[in-house]
Amino acid sequence: GQSLEQPSEVTAVEGAIVQINCTYQTSGFYGLSWYQQHDGGAPTFLSYNALDGLEETGRFSSFLSRSDSYGYLLLQELQMKDSASYFCAVGSNYQLIWGAGTKLIIKP
Amino acid sequence: NAGVTQTPKFQVLKTGQSMTLQCAQDMNHNSMYWYRQDPGMGLRLIYYSASEGTTDKGEVPNGYNVSRLNKREFSLRLESAAPSQTSVYFCALSGTALETQYFGPGTRLLVL
Repeated sequence: GQSLEQPSEVTAVEGAIVQINCTYQTSGFYGLSWYQQHDGGAPTFLSYNALDGLEETGRFSSFLSRSDSYGYLLLQELQMKDSASYFCAVGSNYQLIWGAGTKLIIKP
Repeated sequence: NAGVTQTPKFQVLKTGQSMTLQCAQDMNHNSMYWYRQDPGMGLRLIYYSASEGTTDKGEVPNGYNVSRLNKREFSLRLESAAPSQTSVYFCALSGTALETQYFGPGTRLLVL
């Protein structure tokens, strides 16, 4: 079957760095994406890794290791507005398969 | 959510009633998707359309039908609503990379 595993909740302090991990098991893997969703809102695309390595977009970075079926999202200089749920998603067989999401709680 | 609109925003139905959720885009993307999201869970794909005139089942198609009217519009129909279909429904679209999807604001549906 196809599945993605990510922690259900992560807590961090404002200004700190946090890493959200994602492991996957899928067939026909294309790449790993990350989305942010605030409570009551719609998912918003953050980043996409098709190849191994690190992709950086401002305060956010995403990493992929295809050999380990593993990736992570790194958020730096955390701000209160980063409090949200973060989803990893894998492209497979013309569809996106989604993880259950990680709720990021940020404390002042 | 610019470029993707969904109607209605909220809906309450009684068991057995039918309704159609509408999605329209002005981003000129070929692929469109319908997802449902239940509390505390990720998104599950109901149906998708890779291009005008084509539709395919996703992970949870039972109880739903779709119609890709033209490139801009992709509708989702519940023929006989059930309480298990209480959820938030999102329409999304993508261009050449399916991993980069743009979402509408969602429709919150309650079936009593």
